[in-house]
Amino acid sequence: QKEVEQDPGPLSVPEGAIVSLNCTYSNSAFQYFMWYRQYSRKGPELLMYTYSSGNKEDGRFTAQVDKSSKYISLFIRDSQPSDSATYLCAMSAGGNEKLTFGTGTRLTIIP
Amino acid sequence: SAVISQKPSRDICQRGTSLTIQCQVDSQVTMMFWYRQQPGQSLTLIATANQGSEATYESGFVIDKFPISRPNLTFSTLTVSNMSPEDSSIYLCSAREALREKLFFGSGTQLSVL
Repeated sequence: QKEVEQDPGPLSVPEGAIVSLNCTYSNSAFQYFMWYRQYSRKGPELLMYTYSSGNKEDGRFTAQVDKSSKYISLFIRDSQPSDSATYLCAMSAGGNEKLTFGTGTRLTIIP
Repeated sequence: SAVISQKPSRDICQRGTSLTIQCQVDSQVTMMFWYRQQPGQSLTLIATANQGSEATYESGFVIDKFPISRPNLTFSTLTVSNMSPEDSSIYLCSAREALREKLFFGSGTQLSVL
């Protein structure tokens, strides 16, 4: 079993829809959770950063962490074609421990 | 956030040759890393580039194949040596501050080996 599981998709949704992206993990020591967006032929861009459980909102993006279920989510509201990218979850236990990445979900927003 | 410049952005190389990838960060960062991203797969950590000392390699990666230098706090290089088609991948430089969890990435080097 991988430490971090993420559905690779692809996921296609119409413009304006709410998108839900998810990761599950097995390591209960993880405390720091991140979402990266990666456009084709580009490096990953840090999108959301969350410590421990709870929600964090930034514009159209909301990150949720449920440590009791070992489950994290990224919601995108009012999705736009420019949101079409691969989204990677990443997490670490902190203290200079390395990040563990999910495999990424390829998302396409259809105009 | 740190801005990371990486070059070359892409290259096509012949089997048996070597390629050196350069990474420049716009601020002094404590930790720099090199990742590989193979087609359709997630990021795999190759090594941590340590300033003034040998890099720390992850399981499955060795210094002879992926020598790394880090002469100061803002610059690092990764060399892919004696390349084979299996080395075709995206190579990514990344950096963060010590005890800060946010990791930032360069734009990557897309390497194709013929």
